[in-house]
Amino acid sequence: NAGVTQTPKFQVLKTGQSMTLQCAQDMNHNSMYWYRQDPGMGLRLIYYSASEGTTDKGEVPNGYNVSRLNKREFSLRLESAAPSQTSVYFCASSATGAGWTEAFFGQGTRLTVV
Amino acid sequence: GQQVMQIPQYQHVQEGEDFTTYCNSSTTLSNIQWYKQRPGGHPVFLIQLVKSGEVKKQKRLTFQFGEAKKNSSLHITATQTTDVGTYFCAGPPDSGYSTLTFGKGTMLLVSP
Repeated sequence: NAGVTQTPKFQVLKTGQSMTLQCAQDMNHNSMYWYRQDPGMGLRLIYYSASEGTTDKGEVPNGYNVSRLNKREFSLRLESAAPSQTSVYFCASSATGAGWTEAFFGQGTRLTVV
Repeated sequence: GQQVMQIPQYQHVQEGEDFTTYCNSSTTLSNIQWYKQRPGGHPVFLIQLVKSGEVKKQKRLTFQFGEAKKNSSLHITATQTTDVGTYFCAGPPDSGYSTLTFGKGTMLLVSP
């Protein structure tokens, strides 16, 4: 029972480099999310996908892009990494909108931009 | 826009003491969810409250939803070291049910 799987678990980037964070869920959920977590700031929504084929901006979308590749996979791309993007990134999924049903989180990706 | 605020930000208790964290929303919530995140881990769903004045219990944890559906609390009786972690409340934003807005969390440290 994998649930939500994120790769990689850890990553160090140099300023200006690009990378894609991968996320896959095996629960047949419609909705998927990307959050970032910084000390003292809680979880902030970057982007979400309410259903396959749709994506929408969250609270802090600047510097990121997303792709809902299919129902299972939702990737987050940093085109030109900046030190301000050093954070822990969590992917999550829910059967329907997370505002109404339980959200399941992945293990997180700890990203450092130097 | 909607804000979900939690207090306290941090609490350190001795094992066996009780603990309470409070969550307040600037707007009425249709429901509220609580999550727990262990150090170095990921958030894990604990419970959802829907009805005004609702009270739910999970062993030593008691969750309440306010009568006006603008506040909630989580109370832990006789804390144990396994209760260590950060507790988050979360609710749907004003715009609908597509996402969750999280409070900043209360970090609980329990000393043996």
